[in-house]
Amino acid sequence: DAGVTQSPTHLIKTRGQQVTLRCSPKSGHDTVSWYQQALGQGPQFIFQYYEEEERQRGNFPDRFSGHQFPNYSSELNVNALLLGDSALYLCASSLDVLSAYEQYFGPGTRLTVT
Amino acid sequence: AQKVTQAQTEISVVEKEDVTLDCVYETRDTTYYLFWYKQPPSGELVFLIRRNSFDEQNEISGRYSWNFQKSTSSFNFTITASQVVDSAVYFCALDFGNEKLTFGTGTRLTIIP
Repeated sequence: DAGVTQSPTHLIKTRGQQVTLRCSPKSGHDTVSWYQQALGQGPQFIFQYYEEEERQRGNFPDRFSGHQFPNYSSELNVNALLLGDSALYLCASSLDVLSAYEQYFGPGTRLTVT
Repeated sequence: AQKVTQAQTEISVVEKEDVTLDCVYETRDTTYYLFWYKQPPSGELVFLIRRNSFDEQNEISGRYSWNFQKSTSSFNFTITASQVVDSAVYFCALDFGNEKLTFGTGTRLTIIP
C-alpha cells in the first residue's frame, strides 16, 4: 500500500520564478493538505483540498494556489517566488470521515529559492 | 487563537535514559485534538498519537507514554529506555477536528550511544 508521495524531492528556483509541487495521496484518501516548514520551525498549514475544491486556507498570500484532480492528487503552485519561500513543503492526506481521522505525511519537497 | 508551545528546543540524553518532551497548548475551544509527530532526518512526519480533549486517560505504547492534563493544558511525551533510533525532531500539534494542524516549533532529541 503506497503511502503519500511527493515530487520532486528537491528543487532550486530563482527569485520571481514560479514553481509547481505535486502530491499523490495515500490509497483510499480523498483529502489533501499542504504545509510549509521553514528551517528549524514547525509545519504551517497552507491550505486543504477536498472534492477538488479548496476547503480551508491558512495565512498565506494568494501567490500560493493549488489544485486537486479527480484522482485526488494535488498540486501546489507558488508564483513570484521570494527568498522566504525556501522551505520543506509537506503534503498530507486523510480520509474525510467525521468520526475519526489521521493525516499521513509525505517525505516533502525541499524548495530552495536563490 | 490556538497556540502550541514546545519550550525545549534541544535535548540530549544518553542511551537507555528516560526522557520527557513537554507540550503546552492554548485554546478557548472545548473540543480539540492533540497529536505528537516524529520527524526523522528523512523529513517525513510520522504519526505517533492522537488524543481528544474529552479523553484524559494516559496512554502507553511500548516505550512511549503520554500524559494529558487538561488542568495545565499540557500533553507531555515520555520515552522510556531511549534508543539511538529515537533521535529525531518531535512535534506536538493541535487541531479542532478540521484537519488543520497547528504545530509547535519542535524539540530536537539526540540520543547519545
